[in-house]
Amino acid sequence: EVQLVESGGGLVQPGGSLRLSCAASGFTLSAYSMYWVRQAPGKGLEWVAYINTDSATVYYADSVKGRFTISRDNAKNSLYLQMNSLRDEDTAVYHCATYSGFLPYWGQGTLVTVSS
Amino acid sequence: EIVLTQSPGTLSLSPGERATLSCRASQSVRSSYLAWYQQRPGQTPRLLIYGASSRATGIPDRFSGSGSGTDFTLTISRLEPEDFAVYYCQQYGSSPLLTFGGGTKVEIK
Repeated sequence: EVQLVESGGGLVQPGGSLRLSCAASGFTLSAYSMYWVRQAPGKGLEWVAYINTDSATVYYADSVKGRFTISRDNAKNSLYLQMNSLRDEDTAVYHCATYSGFLPYWGQGTLVTVSS
Repeated sequence: EIVLTQSPGTLSLSPGERATLSCRASQSVRSSYLAWYQQRPGQTPRLLIYGASSRATGIPDRFSGSGSGTDFTLTISRLEPEDFAVYYCQQYGSSPLLTFGGGTKVEIK
């Protein structure tokens, strides 16, 4: 069974940093491109970042470009999101997800709250 | 960037009724790479439809998707109590850059 489990969320002040992790089990992470998708409280879904299987290709939403970095460690079956220069509007539940453009597999998410 | 506009924002219906949800794209979605998700309160999104009309694994046949180009529709033929939720469309024609619609809430009338 495919499982994705995020961790690393929490309360951080504006301008601060946080690193999210996503642990994969039940499948071989190295075979799949991975995505981060976020959802602000009471709001809709927003794609954040993408990384391909060998980390050679990454893409970011304009709202996080230059501040967030997606990475992966296939040997550890793990995905990461380094978030710097955090803003109030980055407050959201962050999900890792995977498959092929459409996303049948999602983690439960980790809550990031940016507030002073 | 392809912008997806979902309508209506809220749909008030009774169990057993038919629900028709619309998703309109600002430009043509390549190869009908359009997906639909259901999100119940406190849960993660659940993939219902991909490729505009293909049901995902385990999805009941009361859910159907149609459309192409810029206009797509999700139809729930007869609403069950568990179908009252928020529904999102998502395009992956410009994958890996993904975009989601703003959502349609299906609520009990």
